[in-house]
Amino acid sequence: EADIYQTPRYLVIGTGKKITLECSQTMGHDKMYWYQQDPGMELHLIHYSYGVNSTEKGDLSSESTVSRIRTEHFPLTLESARPSHTSQYLCASSSPGGNTIYFGEGSWLTVV
Amino acid sequence: AQSVAQPEDQVNVAEGNPLTVKCTYSVSGNPYLFWYVQYPNRGLQFLLKYITGDNLVKGSYGFEAEFNKSQTSFHLKKPSALVSDSALYFCAVRDFTDKLIFGTGTRLQVFP
Repeated sequence: EADIYQTPRYLVIGTGKKITLECSQTMGHDKMYWYQQDPGMELHLIHYSYGVNSTEKGDLSSESTVSRIRTEHFPLTLESARPSHTSQYLCASSSPGGNTIYFGEGSWLTVV
Repeated sequence: AQSVAQPEDQVNVAEGNPLTVKCTYSVSGNPYLFWYVQYPNRGLQFLLKYITGDNLVKGSYGFEAEFNKSQTSFHLKKPSALVSDSALYFCAVRDFTDKLIFGTGTRLQVFP
């Protein structure tokens, strides 16, 4: 199993606030991903990265942005949160040539 | 386009009975198939994968899956269900860009 850490685990914020969800992995994985999941529902890829300075949008359009300045760090930012952004955000990573994608514990975001 | 389908929203089984969670796939080329489990308020945990080789794949917690090329299926199985197996199960396929495409999930409920 890969060690992937997401913070915060739970966050309740007001509309219009800026938030950053942190994701770090200690395995040196080059590929990292962000998925969005409504409770008990399917997962949708919103961002991915193949390495430092590489970021791509996923299959589901998202108002969030990501950056990849360091291999181990892949933060997701919402400049102005809205109630529609309420969801669980899951970070994941995989190694070069690795076939398995490993997930963090998720960050639950509630925008009120 | 690569896709997987999980035809059952929920599967109910009595503890001690065998369980099957169904998954069918549609891919071009050789499929890389995965099963993940999600417990409440948690991230996804990797259970098992099929890349190549034996059609019967063994994974974590006593789970196994059978790859069937002619039926394009990758059903998850366990000989004897436990109440603690109750969770949300996701089938996924890895596409040629190393992204995971998930099914809609199947909720497994094991009754004592």
